[in-house]
Amino acid sequence: GENVEQHPSTLSVQEGDSAVIKCTYSDSASNYFPWYKQELGKRPQLIIDIRSNVGEKKDQRIAVTLNKTAKHFSLHITETQPEDSAVYFCAATPRMNTGFQKLVFGTGTRLLVSP
Amino acid sequence: GAVVSQHPSWVICKSGTSVKIECRSLDFQATTMFWYRQFPKQSLMLMATSNEGSKATYEQGVEKDKFLINHASLTLSTLTVTSAHPEDSSFYICSARVTGVRNTEAFFGQGTRLTVV
Repeated sequence: GENVEQHPSTLSVQEGDSAVIKCTYSDSASNYFPWYKQELGKRPQLIIDIRSNVGEKKDQRIAVTLNKTAKHFSLHITETQPEDSAVYFCAATPRMNTGFQKLVFGTGTRLLVSP
Repeated sequence: GAVVSQHPSWVICKSGTSVKIECRSLDFQATTMFWYRQFPKQSLMLMATSNEGSKATYEQGVEKDKFLINHASLTLSTLTVTSAHPEDSSFYICSARVTGVRNTEAFFGQGTRLTVV
């Protein structure tokens, strides 16, 4: 089955710096890659996603890149702010004959943005 | 975006008792819902896929008789933790995607923190 690895596990940056989180996946048939932000004790919230037919997607300060050949994708946050502090999870949706489209999550990255 | 509501938000139960957690899609139909378990400072681990009108599909290592899943309608799935023990204490969270739309956002419930004493 699909396996998603995520690095780093923790990331500390100064306000205004950029943050990059990287993920690799094992199933070459995976075709959907979302990124979720989870604040302590709360539900994960989608911040950006990318499909396998696209190499890059940007939404204001957030961007995601996908390299299908290498089977890795990255989250880029520019001009970080203290409110960006949270745990970020990448995920992959393996292509399944059942059509259930489950999400397989990475291990998470705890981002801390210091003022 | 679509709303998924999970109830209760937290529950404390005695060891040996059973606890039911509900997951509802409020403004969309969800043929399939997913149940995750999350330990402190860890990732979301998929437990099972809940399918409306049929048996749930469990991930490897998840006990079917321990975690009973029922998906009786297009908007409701329930997870029952049977004969709960302290090691079952965790954050349980469900998610759902809009039926028939592929490769789109999964919406999460607010989670249920279960403490077994």
